[in-house]
Amino acid sequence: SAVISQKPSRDICQRGTSLTIQCQVDSQVTMMFWYRQQPGQSLTLIATANQGSEATYESGFVIDKFPISRPNLTFSTLTVSNMSPEDSSIYLCSVAFAFSYNEQFFGPGTRLTVL
Amino acid sequence: AQTVTQSQPEMSVQEAETVTLSCTYDTSESDYYLFWYKQPPSRQMILVIRQEAYKQQNATENRFSVNFQKAAKSFSLKISDSQLGDAAMYFCAYRPKGAQKLVFGQGTRLTINP
Repeated sequence: SAVISQKPSRDICQRGTSLTIQCQVDSQVTMMFWYRQQPGQSLTLIATANQGSEATYESGFVIDKFPISRPNLTFSTLTVSNMSPEDSSIYLCSVAFAFSYNEQFFGPGTRLTVL
Repeated sequence: AQTVTQSQPEMSVQEAETVTLSCTYDTSESDYYLFWYKQPPSRQMILVIRQEAYKQQNATENRFSVNFQKAAKSFSLKISDSQLGDAAMYFCAYRPKGAQKLVFGQGTRLTINP
């Protein structure tokens, strides 16, 4: 398994601003992912964070709105840019190991409220 | 496109009793993985149980077991001897083999009555 931490755990932001969420893993992982969970909803994959290259975004999500970095095998950031109230969600980081591709481990999530 | 459907938005059960949560999915793939995740109020997603589609035997983890019906594309979760700590949102998820994207169902909120 993996111990995953996210910072911040929660934040309240003004519309039009940006927030960067950090995801730190206690061991090197092959895959890192970012999910969004809107209030009372299920999880939707935003993108796969690729180490040393651009992230792979899912349909409906674009780099200008959700820039992602992954400088090494244990760390990634997701930025929510030019926020609006519709961006109020829980953002979760998840990871997968090369030897256990059939399982993803999730971080505790970041609860974002945009006023 | 692959979809996962959980038809029970909410379920409740008396402590120590058994409850079954339903999940159906739609896919044209023959090899894939199915998961049940638990999300308590703390928000931490926890893997409860995993099933590989090519395995006919139903997965079991202590009090948790699944009923995997591949032809019917059904993957239900049975929780035996329910405990107060089982109260959470439960998500069914699908992942085709060779891909990393998890497709989640809408979730079922499980309440345990003491």
